[in-house]
Amino acid sequence: DAGVIQSPRHEVTEMGQEVTLRCKPISGHNSLFWYRQTMMRGLELLIYFNNNVPIDDSGMPEDRFSAKMPNASFSTLKIQPSEPRDSAVYFCASSFSPRSNQPQHFGDGTRLSIL
Amino acid sequence: GENVEQHPSTLSVQEGDSAVIKCTYSDSASNYFPWYKQELGKRPQLIIDIRSNVGEKKDQRIAVTLNKTAKHFSLHITETQPEDSAVYPCNEKLTFGTGTRLTIIP
Repeated sequence: DAGVIQSPRHEVTEMGQEVTLRCKPISGHNSLFWYRQTMMRGLELLIYFNNNVPIDDSGMPEDRFSAKMPNASFSTLKIQPSEPRDSAVYFCASSFSPRSNQPQHFGDGTRLSIL
Repeated sequence: GENVEQHPSTLSVQEGDSAVIKCTYSDSASNYFPWYKQELGKRPQLIIDIRSNVGEKKDQRIAVTLNKTAKHFSLHITETQPEDSAVYPCNEKLTFGTGTRLTIIP
């Protein structure tokens, strides 16, 4: 099993640019989560999908953030336009069930720096 | 909404001693409580979990205890080793604690 695969591992871009983060969940998992991690706030849930449908996006900071899951094996998180305060590590995770009772499996994360 | 509080935020322990980290949650209906370990620059990984039908679970040097009445669960690491140094975030449903930075002093 390859685990959750995220790309890119690192992204450095100037403010105002569009940023696209990608995630491939573990095959067979039906739930996918996007988190943002900072030193001050730890892991914050941005959005999660169940069976490719967004269930809870209350953690998405503002309209500049959007996420899609066109099929069971791929998801994207976009930031447009990006701002320096978006700099963080973004993790994708997947699990067998949408909430509770099953652990989440994390990708290696994308370290995003907005200059 | 769900609320998880984790204490302490940092913990330094002499090698060989024990470490205890505690998380308090708010939803009395919660029934699954995992602990993760995150080494510097790496992803969080599950180290142990407990379901609400038991009060304690052990796996070698690591144990988790659950008090449903008080709504808290704790991670216990015994005979600590330098490789235990990491951040340990707890998790309840979709909410993670802010993590405890554990440092093992050789």
